[in-house]
Amino acid sequence: GENVEQHPSTLSVQEGDSAVIKCTYSDSASNYFPWYKQELGKRPQLIIDIRSNVGEKKDQRIAVTLNKTAKHFSLHITETQPEDSAVYFCAASILDQFYFGTGTSLTVIP
Amino acid sequence: GAVVSQHPSWVICKSGTSVKIECRSLDFQATTMFWYRQFPKQSLMLMATSNEGSKATYEQGVEKDKFLINHASLTLSTLTVTSAHPEDSSFYICSAPSGRDTQYFGPGTRLTVL
Repeated sequence: GENVEQHPSTLSVQEGDSAVIKCTYSDSASNYFPWYKQELGKRPQLIIDIRSNVGEKKDQRIAVTLNKTAKHFSLHITETQPEDSAVYFCAASILDQFYFGTGTSLTVIP
Repeated sequence: GAVVSQHPSWVICKSGTSVKIECRSLDFQATTMFWYRQFPKQSLMLMATSNEGSKATYEQGVEKDKFLINHASLTLSTLTVTSAHPEDSSFYICSAPSGRDTQYFGPGTRLTVL
């Protein structure tokens, strides 16, 4: 099956700085790559996604890049704010089955 | 947007008992639903795919006799943890797809086995 790796596991940044989280996947058949933000004890919330026919997507302060050849994709958050502090998960999807990365705990220091 | 509910939101049970968790799609039909388990400070691990009208498909390493899945209708899937033990204590989340690639997650069920 699909194997998704995510780095770093923890990340602390100063408010206003950028945060980058990277993921790799193993199955070239994966064609959809969502990113989720999860607060403690709550369901994951989709923040941005990208499909395999697109290399980059941006939504305000959040952007995602995808390199299909290298099988890696990254989340970029610019101008970070304290409310961005949460656990972020990447995922790779094959036929609606989602395989999640191990998560990154992001702390934005005011 | 689409809504997925889970019931109960939390449950505490004694070791050896069985616990049933329900996952409902409230305003759309789902022929497929997914069950995940999440241990504290860890990722969501896909356990199984629930298929309406047919048997669930389980991920490698997940005991199908222990985690019974029934997709009774197009809006309801249930996960029963049989003979629960403390190591089964976890956060269980379901999801249902609606539209292309879109997954809607339930709010999760916190299971604590004493």
